[in-house]
Amino acid sequence: KQEVTQIPAALSVPEGENLVLNCSFTDSAIYNLQWFRQDPGKGLTSLLLIQSSQREQTSGRLNASLDKSSGRSTLYIAASQPGDSATYLCAAPVEFLPVQAYKYIFGTGTRLKVLA
Amino acid sequence: KAGVTQTPRYLIKTRGQQVTLSCSPISGHRSVSWYQQTPGQGLQFLFEYFSETQRNKGNFPGRFSGRQFSNSRSEMNVSTLELGDSALYLCASSLRTKTNEKLFFGSGTQLSVL
Repeated sequence: KQEVTQIPAALSVPEGENLVLNCSFTDSAIYNLQWFRQDPGKGLTSLLLIQSSQREQTSGRLNASLDKSSGRSTLYIAASQPGDSATYLCAAPVEFLPVQAYKYIFGTGTRLKVLA
Repeated sequence: KAGVTQTPRYLIKTRGQQVTLSCSPISGHRSVSWYQQTPGQGLQFLFEYFSETQRNKGNFPGRFSGRQFSNSRSEMNVSTLELGDSALYLCASSLRTKTNEKLFFGSGTQLSVL
């Protein structure tokens, strides 16, 4: 059974700091892992998708890594800004057989506040 | 390209009523999945539809149902509402390629049951 855990649950940092958010998953047989951002009361915005064959993905100030053997992914945010304040969630897929459908198991998120 | 559209944005209902939520996926996306988000339980999978077929369902009671139309638009219905059904209901669409599936979420429907 896939379980996804995120630490820390909340983080408050001054503007300009580099920070790391952690995501752990129990079943390493995943074919991708996704990171999302959610603003209060809003939907999720996809940030990065890392395929199982990749070790990392980068988009602007964001870098996500994936280590399947240890069941971990990290999201690195460089030079944080107040606009980065949001909840960050990671999600790992679970496959349904035999139809090869998927659902995603989400972590509970890290609530980030970047102080100006 | 338009994103995933969910309507209505907010709903207030009373216990015992029923409600229907709508989701229009990104054009060309055939897979639509629904999630419930609450402060206590986080995001939980409700069900997923592909080409008008429900392929799987999460651990929710039969009061929760859904369907998908030929144009990929999807609706979910909750009957006999309970206070605990108050939540943000999120719809996501995807292309469902074999190796690289990216989920695109709508803004959600905030349901309050009084």
